Amino acid sequence: AIQLTQSPSSLSASVGDRVTITCRTSQGISSGLVWYQQKSGKAPELLIYDASSLGSGVPSRFSGSGFGTDFTLTISSLQPEDFATYYCQQFNTYPLTFGGGTKVEIK
Amino acid sequence: EVQLLESGGGLVQPGGSLRLSCTASGFTFSSYPMYWVRQAPEKGLEWVSTITGSSDSTSYADSVRGRFTISRDNSRNTLYLQMNNLRVEDTAIYFCAKRRVVSGGPGGFDPWGQGTLVTVSS
Repeated sequence: AIQLTQSPSSLSASVGDRVTITCRTSQGISSGLVWYQQKSGKAPELLIYDASSLGSGVPSRFSGSGFGTDFTLTISSLQPEDFATYYCQQFNTYPLTFGGGTKVEIK
Repeated sequence: EVQLLESGGGLVQPGGSLRLSCTASGFTFSSYPMYWVRQAPEKGLEWVSTITGSSDSTSYADSVRGRFTISRDNSRNTLYLQMNNLRVEDTAIYFCAKRRVVSGGPGGFDPWGQGTLVTVSS
């Protein structure tokens, strides 16, 4: 199975900060990477698909980049509603696998 | 509006069985692959199973293969997960999710249901 390693596992940031989360895969997956946001007690929501395409209704402060094995999720200016846990997922090969998550907390 | 609503969770003893349902609305259900994903308490996300729109293909995580069966009834817009021989480690919130687009385009789970809690304990 393809392993996904997210870093950091948690971070503290302030409103307005630029935040970057990375996801590294154990094998190349082309652009088959998806990012989700999960708020406490809620279901995950899709943010980015195909490594860099913005999901429907997702604010433009979210962006994704990368190809192959190294991927990045960037929040250009952190907003209060962005405090959540973020997961990457590879959609290239079965079994589908997720990263361990990155919890973004208020500084 | 696309909506997914899971039901059927609850408390079950180890070795027991449970059937989860996911009722869909707001889209052409039969056209989309569907998924089950679970999340153990305070843990990350784990893909469980996939079924194609026509039910001609299914996939399972190694952790559930041979114990869980995914199925769907397109006439009822409903997805199922039959879970047999449940173990303590199957305790989790189980989410159903729809493929972002019909097969062929870049994938992703979108949207997800609100989840149903399965607790396996004696």
